Amino acid sequence: DTGVSQDPRHKITKRGQNVTFRCDPISEHNRLYWYRQTLGQGPEFLTYFQNEAQLEKSRLLSDRFSAERPKGSFSTLEIQRTEQGDSAMYLCVGGGGSGWEQYFGPGTRLTVT
Amino acid sequence: QKEVEQDPGPLSVPEGAIVSLNCTYSNSAFQYFMWYRQYSRKGPELLMYTYSSGNKEDGRFTAQVDKSSKYISLFIRDSQPSDSATYLCAMSLDSNYQLIWGAGTKLIIKP
Repeated sequence: DTGVSQDPRHKITKRGQNVTFRCDPISEHNRLYWYRQTLGQGPEFLTYFQNEAQLEKSRLLSDRFSAERPKGSFSTLEIQRTEQGDSAMYLCVGGGGSGWEQYFGPGTRLTVT
Repeated sequence: QKEVEQDPGPLSVPEGAIVSLNCTYSNSAFQYFMWYRQYSRKGPELLMYTYSSGNKEDGRFTAQVDKSSKYISLFIRDSQPSDSATYLCAMSLDSNYQLIWGAGTKLIIKP
């Protein structure tokens, strides 16, 4: 158990609906990342927070995606007007201390019908 | 061409065999190299990391980095059925940068 939790674990939504995912890292994780993983592929980087500041955002993150980490603790990832191509596992990752270590949460599996 | 290449497998070996998993990469600036294990429908779990070149051993696992060849390896000794999973390599330019991932190799250890 990495101590990183995500909610919900599974989400089924209809195309065009908005969805929001939550990630709770442990308090030592001053860095927080969001990745997306589709079947048979490695994770793809979406965005990165250092405390509450969003420092990096992938080109993959279209205008329909937004992420926040308001108090440098938990984070939310919102997808507006979902599309079938958004179906994937969304992984939250906490990091801290020496810097390079990243600890994954269990993921939120999104299915867009 | 992807920055990190990894044979998707599946790689099937008998219990007790030595397993060799590999990744190649194109960006010579990568400094941090990791191996993750991922069970079905779970998030990846960090197994080992290496900074720059060299070897690192942890129990039955050994990670090797050859920066001159842009090639990294993970060896598993005395493989067990519980080692059956997908193994992903990942690498990074620095300690705060995002990880660049291989697609993962599915490993099956037959009892």
